[in-house]
Amino acid sequence: GAVVSQHPSWVICKSGTSVKIECRSLDFQATTMFWYRQFPKQSLMLMATSNEGSKATYEQGVEKDKFLINHASLTLSTLTVTSAHPEDSSFYICSAAAGRAGDTQYFGPGTRLTVL
Amino acid sequence: KQEVTQIPAALSVPEGENLVLNCSFTDSAIYNLQWFRQDPGKGLTSLLLIQSSQREQTSGRLNASLDKSSGRSTLYIAASQPGDSATYLCALRGGGADGLTFGKGTHLIIQP
Repeated sequence: GAVVSQHPSWVICKSGTSVKIECRSLDFQATTMFWYRQFPKQSLMLMATSNEGSKATYEQGVEKDKFLINHASLTLSTLTVTSAHPEDSSFYICSAAAGRAGDTQYFGPGTRLTVL
Repeated sequence: KQEVTQIPAALSVPEGENLVLNCSFTDSAIYNLQWFRQDPGKGLTSLLLIQSSQREQTSGRLNASLDKSSGRSTLYIAASQPGDSATYLCALRGGGADGLTFGKGTHLIIQP
């Protein structure tokens, strides 16, 4: 089956630093990748949608200058949390889809970010 | 804006029981509906995906149904086992949007 990896699986950083999270589709080419965020005991919330070679589309309320998304290839998307603050501490999960809307999204294992 | 509600929020049952998890949504214009399980601190495992034209899907002891007209889906788990303990999430892909809208999940505990 389709496999999506994320790196790192967890990260602890100081307030004000930037953190980069990688999302890779290991055995298929992902035309679209999605980034979600999950706060404790809350549902996953879509942050942004990225298509290879184009700018990401951000959901309402998500700061594009704070959460930088780069989808440089069909197998890699990165999310950079810039100038992280404690309120950015969350579980970040990516997913990847190979084709049209309606195709299955395959989820990565998630990255736990803790900002001190 | 699509809203997804899952009932109950938590459920604890003895091993061996059959159970039903409920998911309701406000906008019936969907491409598909998907059920996931999430173990504590982990990512998502896809269980079943129902396309908008389908009424149900089955995999092993799991059966998911979809009624778009009433905005409801159910996940039926037969002969529950302790290994089924997890949070079960319902998610929709809506018309014109590729991202998924998730419910808050049902936290399920199967007592040995």
